[in-house]
This record gives sequence, C-alpha cells and structure tokens, in this order.
Amino acid sequence: NAGVTQTPKFQVLKTGQSMTLQCAQDMNHEYMSWYRQDPGMGLRLIHYSVGAGITDQGEVPNGYNVSRSTTEDFPLRLLSAAPSQTSVYFCASSYVRTGGGYGYTFGSGTRLTVV
Amino acid sequence: GDSVTQMEGPVTLSEEAFLTINCTYTATGYPSLFWYVQYPGEGLQLLLKATKADDKGSNKGFEATYRKETTSFHLEKGSVQVSDSAVYFCALSAGGTSYGKLTFGQGTILTVHP
Repeated sequence: NAGVTQTPKFQVLKTGQSMTLQCAQDMNHEYMSWYRQDPGMGLRLIHYSVGAGITDQGEVPNGYNVSRSTTEDFPLRLLSAAPSQTSVYFCASSYVRTGGGYGYTFGSGTRLTVV
Repeated sequence: GDSVTQMEGPVTLSEEAFLTINCTYTATGYPSLFWYVQYPGEGLQLLLKATKADDKGSNKGFEATYRKETTSFHLEKGSVQVSDSAVYFCALSAGGTSYGKLTFGQGTILTVHP
C-alpha cells in the first residue's frame, strides 16, 4: 500500500503563478483534507472533503480551490500564488468505522516557496 | 469553535529525564484526542490516541490520559532518549460531521541531549 502520495515534494513559484498540488490515496478512505504548516502555528485546515463530489472550507481557504471527482484524488489548486502561501502543505485521508474506529494517514508533504 | 493549546516550547532535556508536554482543549461534544510526532524533515506520524474520557493512549513509552473534567490530554514519558527529539502536536477531532477534520495545537519542539 502506498498510503497517501503527495506530489511534488518541493516547488518554487513566482508570485502570480498558478499550480496544482496533487494528493492521492489508495486506502478507499472517505475523508480527505489539506493542511498548511507554518512555524509556531501548527497545522491549519485549508479544505476538506467527506466524499467524492463534496468539499467544504476549513480555517484558511482563501487563495485555494479544491475538487474531488474520485474517492482517490484530492488536488489543491493555488489560483495566483502569493508569498504568504509559502508553507509546507500536508494532505491527509481518514476513515470512521462503526463502533468508533478512527484512522488518519498523512502524506509526506510539499514544501512550497513563493518568490 | 474547537481549539487546542499546547505548552510553550522549545523543551530541552537530558537523556533519561522525565517528559511532560501539556495539552488542553476546547470542543463541543466528545472529541477524540491525538498526539502526533514529526521528526526532522518528515511528515506526521500518529503517536497515540484516545477516543473517550479516562482512556489512556500509549505507544513507544509515551502515555496520555483523556481527562474530560480538566479538558486535558498531557503527554508523558518516563525516560526520554535522543531519538525522541522531534516536534509534538496535540490534536482533536470533534466527530459527528467533523470526522474528516483535525484541529491542531501549535506544536512543541523537544530536543534531548546525550
């Protein structure tokens, strides 16, 4: 099992450029989410999805778009990159099972620098 | 809204010292609580979790007990090693319609010296 795969691992963008961060999971998890990690602020939720075709905003959604056309994929699009979006981005997938079982799996992250 | 507060870092200890990292939370209902660890240059790994009051999560010598009366989930280890040097995050999942979302504390940097 690959788990949660994020690409690319590193990216440098110029201000105003657009790009898509890819996230794929092979565990058939129903939930997927995107976080950004900034020093001293922990991880903050950008967008999440409770299933194919259903997405919602998290704590810091401005400047980012998502869609979920399949269970496996949850790409994050930066529409017009800004230096404030320099961060490390993590994708996660999760499940809930009857009886209270929980599981979250994180990808290895994408380090994005906007100059 | 939901929130998690961790003790200020960084924390610096000598090998074999006792570790406590405090974590308190605010949430409606009955959240599940987690500790994640991030080693340098890597992603997040689940360290331990607890899903209901008085549950104790444990893994690799680390322990944390879900205390509903004090809304806390403090992380402890009796004897730390150099290899425990990492960033530790406390997190909660509120459940219900929020199963897919985690709320994180700001993280605590732990450095253990030989």
